[in-house]
Amino acid sequence: GDSVTQMEGPVTLSEEAFLTINCTYTATGYPSLFWYVQYPGEGLQLLLKATKADDKGSNKGFEATYRKETTSFHLEKGSVQVSDSAVYFCALSEKGNKLVFGAGTILRVKS
Amino acid sequence: EAQVTQNPRYLITVTGKKLTVTCSQNMNHEYMSWYRQDPGLGLRQIYYSMNVEVTDKGDVPEGYKVSRKEKRNFPLILESPSPNQTSLYFCASSFGGTNTYNEQFFGPGTRLTVL
Repeated sequence: GDSVTQMEGPVTLSEEAFLTINCTYTATGYPSLFWYVQYPGEGLQLLLKATKADDKGSNKGFEATYRKETTSFHLEKGSVQVSDSAVYFCALSEKGNKLVFGAGTILRVKS
Repeated sequence: EAQVTQNPRYLITVTGKKLTVTCSQNMNHEYMSWYRQDPGLGLRQIYYSMNVEVTDKGDVPEGYKVSRKEKRNFPLILESPSPNQTSLYFCASSFGGTNTYNEQFFGPGTRLTVL
């Protein structure tokens, strides 16, 4: 079945550092790929998405590129802020609206 | 404001005492879903509904029931809760259809503890 694997955390960075959170997936077809973010005490919210190979999703300085050849969708940001501290979930959708999530990566940014 | 609401936000109960967690959305979404979040496992789908009176099992449906009598509401029912159902629960909604790229909107979560 479909699955998503993302790097374990927590990831701890200093403010203005470069961020990469790795995500790889397994799917039988051509899924849409998502990054969701969960701030402390809140529900998940969509950060960015990509629907086909080589698409780049971007939002709030975060980027991720749909790489079909490596089945990856790594999240990057050039300069993190304390306010980026949250849990980040990589997810895919191959059948209608059902989302399959990775385990989540905790990001902590220190000032 | 477009939103998904859940109640209660926190609940501590005892084994076997029936409970219902309510979920409501005001975006006229066809699709609604329940997930549970557990450490190291991410979110797993419990049940989903494609529209009114249409529900189906997700990946971890055992011990749960749902109903969809109105488009806006999708309650989650635990008829006889057990400690292994202690978790953080999220309701989500989105537009329907066969698209795989619809954004899902999540409620704030319900933290359930079963003693």
